[in-house]
Amino acid sequence: KQEVTQIPAALSVPEGENLVLNCSFTDSAIYNLQWFRQDPGKGLTSLLLIQSSQREQTSGRLNASLDKSSGRSTLYIAASQPGDSATYLCAVFETSGSRLTFGEGTQLTVNP
Amino acid sequence: NAGVMQNPRHLVRRRGQEARLRCSPMKGHSHVYWYRQLPEEGLKFMVYLQKENIIDESGMPKERFSAEFPKEGPSILRIQQVVRGDSAAYFCASSPGTGVQPQHFGDGTRLSIL
Repeated sequence: KQEVTQIPAALSVPEGENLVLNCSFTDSAIYNLQWFRQDPGKGLTSLLLIQSSQREQTSGRLNASLDKSSGRSTLYIAASQPGDSATYLCAVFETSGSRLTFGEGTQLTVNP
Repeated sequence: NAGVMQNPRHLVRRRGQEARLRCSPMKGHSHVYWYRQLPEEGLKFMVYLQKENIIDESGMPKERFSAEFPKEGPSILRIQQVVRGDSAAYFCASSPGTGVQPQHFGDGTRLSIL
C-alpha cells in the first residue's frame, strides 16, 4: 500500500528566504508526482507535475525534483513571499491504480 | 467552463437526510475522481468514474455512499442517511485521461451534519 509522507508538517519563515519542502513515498511504481497548493477553505491548485521519467520541473520561483528510485521529491521555493503562505500537498499517481495518494501536507507561513 | 465546478459550496444536512454533491468536469475531460478530506486529515481517494462507468470505487464506504457520472450532466456523489462522521470537504477532480495527465480540482463541497 502506497504511503506518502511530508516533512515538515509546518514551517514558518521570514519573507525572502529560500525553502525546501520534502515528500517521500514507499512504492516507486508511479506514473507521476504532483505538487499542489491549498489555501484555507479552498480547493487544490496544481503547481507542478513531474512524470516518472523526469528528474525535475520548474515554474517561476518553484522547482520540483523527483528521485523515483529513492522515493523522494522536493519542492524548492525561491525568494518566498507572504502570498506563498498555504498548505502544500504532494501526491503520487500509481501505475497499478487510478488515484492520487496524498501526503498530509506542509503548512507554510511566510512572515512579512 | 474555466475549471472544475462543484456545487453546492456548502451543504448542511441533519442526521438521516440525504446529501447530493455535484461536479461538472473541465471541458474535454472525461475522467472524474472524488476525494474526501476529513477534519485534520489528508485527502483520501473515494471513487474514479468515466462516462456511465465506475472504474474504481475501492475508496468508497461500503454502505450509504454511491456515485455516478451519466452520459449527460454532472457527476453526482450521493450520501444516504448521513451521520456526523460524514462531515468533511468533498473534492472532485477531472482529467482528460488517466495516468500521465494532471488532475484538476474543484473548490470542494463542505458538508456539515447537524
